[in-house]
Amino acid sequence: DTEVTQTPKHLVMGMTNKKSLKCEQHMGHRAMYWYKQKAKKPPELMFVYSYEKLSINESVPSRFSPECPNSSLLNLHLHALQPEDSALYLCASSQDLTPGGLGDTQYFGPGTRLTVL
Amino acid sequence: DAKTTQPPSMDCAEGRAANLPCNHSTISGNEYVYWYRQIHSQGPQYIIHGLKNNETNEMASLIITEDRKSSTLILPHATLRDTAVYYCIVRVSGYSTLTFGKGTMLLVSP
Repeated sequence: DTEVTQTPKHLVMGMTNKKSLKCEQHMGHRAMYWYKQKAKKPPELMFVYSYEKLSINESVPSRFSPECPNSSLLNLHLHALQPEDSALYLCASSQDLTPGGLGDTQYFGPGTRLTVL
Repeated sequence: DAKTTQPPSMDCAEGRAANLPCNHSTISGNEYVYWYRQIHSQGPQYIIHGLKNNETNEMASLIITEDRKSSTLILPHATLRDTAVYYCIVRVSGYSTLTFGKGTMLLVSP
């Protein structure tokens, strides 16, 4: 089973709202990732968690706040977003960050399409 | 991570082999070649990866040249469901991030 699930599938929010995106995997993976993908562009990495600790933050604005409450779950808390933050938000996971083999091959969820009004 | 160059688009007839090229002339010895694809409005899907030997799995084959400066992803019998953007990514496994380029839009037609 290589399934990563994301909820909700679609989200519309105003600029003053607070919302959260959820990502879940039950593959026993210990690394999890958030990516952002604007229309007709490739995905861009936002955050990496390894063993529930934030490993990489790609200079993402503080209005995006990631959280990894346990090894299976990854959240992205959203507050005071701008219309330009509208995008497809993708979650991925990998066994860990061990070099080589399939250890750090990333498996992606279907994404949450976010619209900020 | 080394940069990659891919054609922006390719066409393939259904049932024929699709050969997607990727140039990575600045690849270093410890960098792997990964291929992902993204079907419209879905999350990227891992296809295959390799270091220097050719690789094959149930989805595709990866041919890496001896000097490792280029590679080709082969889908042996393309179907309409293989229409997608294909990304070739060169990276050091481990703590290096997965950086997507523009990819190749493969259109498989009947």
